[in-house]
Parts: sequence; structure tokens; C-alpha cells
Amino acid sequence: SAVISQKPSRDICQRGTSLTIQCQVDSQVTMMFWYRQQPGQSLTLIATANQGSEATYESGFVIDKFPISRPNLTFSTLTVSNMSPEDSSIYLCSAGTTYEQYFGPGTRLTVT
Amino acid sequence: KNEVEQSPQNLTAQEGEFITINCSYSVGISALHWLQQHPGGGIVSLFMLSSGKKKHGRLIATINIQEKHSSLHITASHPRDSAVYICAAYYNTDKLIFGTGTRLQVFP
Repeated sequence: SAVISQKPSRDICQRGTSLTIQCQVDSQVTMMFWYRQQPGQSLTLIATANQGSEATYESGFVIDKFPISRPNLTFSTLTVSNMSPEDSSIYLCSAGTTYEQYFGPGTRLTVT
Repeated sequence: KNEVEQSPQNLTAQEGEFITINCSYSVGISALHWLQQHPGGGIVSLFMLSSGKKKHGRLIATINIQEKHSSLHITASHPRDSAVYICAAYYNTDKLIFGTGTRLQVFP
């Protein structure tokens, strides 16, 4: 199994600003993913974070809005750029191997 | 279309009751996850299964490949079991498809 930590756990941000969320895994993993969970909704995959190359984004998500880095096999960041109230969500990092994922505690973001 | 459907959407129970949450999916899944999400938002992976049955403490997960159906059972439910339970499936890719979740409240 893998233990995943995320920072910050929560934040309140002003419209137009950016927030970077960090995800740290306690062991090297093949796959890392970023999800968004809007209020009352299920999880939606934002992108797959690829080590040493550009992330692979799902339909409806773009790099300019959600830039992602993955400099090594245990760490990734997601930035939510130029935030609006619609970006208020829980953002979750997950990591693992094919068919087995472990989830972080999430970052609860409120945009005012 | 690859989908995952859960029922019920909301569930309330008295402490000690036996609880069942259902999940149905389309053909062609490789594996299925049951996840638990507490009010703070963090998600814990309870089970990952591709056939048969798994048990951990008071939790039991089963999957029936022919009927394309999985169930999560909680025996002797307790208020600390109150959470959202999410079923998620791998459709022959590395990406999970999530159900909408079942909100469980267990009252003392």
C-alpha cells in the first residue's frame, strides 16, 4: 500500500488568485492522478500526472487552468489558476499501480 | 457507455443493523473498488476485487461477474460507519469510473 499526504488540507482564496496543492507519496509509484469533487458530486478525473513529461488532461480540463508538475515518482503538484467561485471543490490526489489506487486526504478549496 | 450506478443514494440505519449498498456496471470491467469518504473529504480504499468475495472486519464485498453487480455489506453497523461509500470500476484502462456514492447515516 501507499500513504499519501496533501498540503494544504484546506484553504480559502480570493477570486483571481492561484493555489498550488502538493501531493507526497511515501513510496515510488507508477501512476499519479488528480481529481476534483464538486459539492454534492462524485469524483472527476482532471489529469494523469506523468513523471518527467506533460500531464495528460481529461476532456474539459486544460493545462493553463490546472498546470501539473511531477518532478519524480513520489511527488506532484496541481495548481488551480485564476480561481473563480466555481472552482470551490475538494481536490484529491491518488497514486498507485494499474488497478490499485490509494487516495490522499484531499484539499478543500473555497473561493470567495 | 462505461457507467457505474449505485443504490440507494441515501441510507439511514439504526446502530446494529445489517447494511447493503449495491453497485451495477457495464460489461468489461477489470476490477472494482469500494471506497469510503468521510465528511472531511479524505477517501479510504476499502476493497479492490475482480471476483468472489472479500471480508475485512465487519465489511464484506462481493462481486458477481455474470450479473455485473457488486455489493458492500456492513454487519453490526455503528455510528462511526457514517460516511459516503463509493463504488468505482476499471474498464480495461488505468482510469477509474466512479459511481455517485451512497450516503450512509447510522444512528445510535
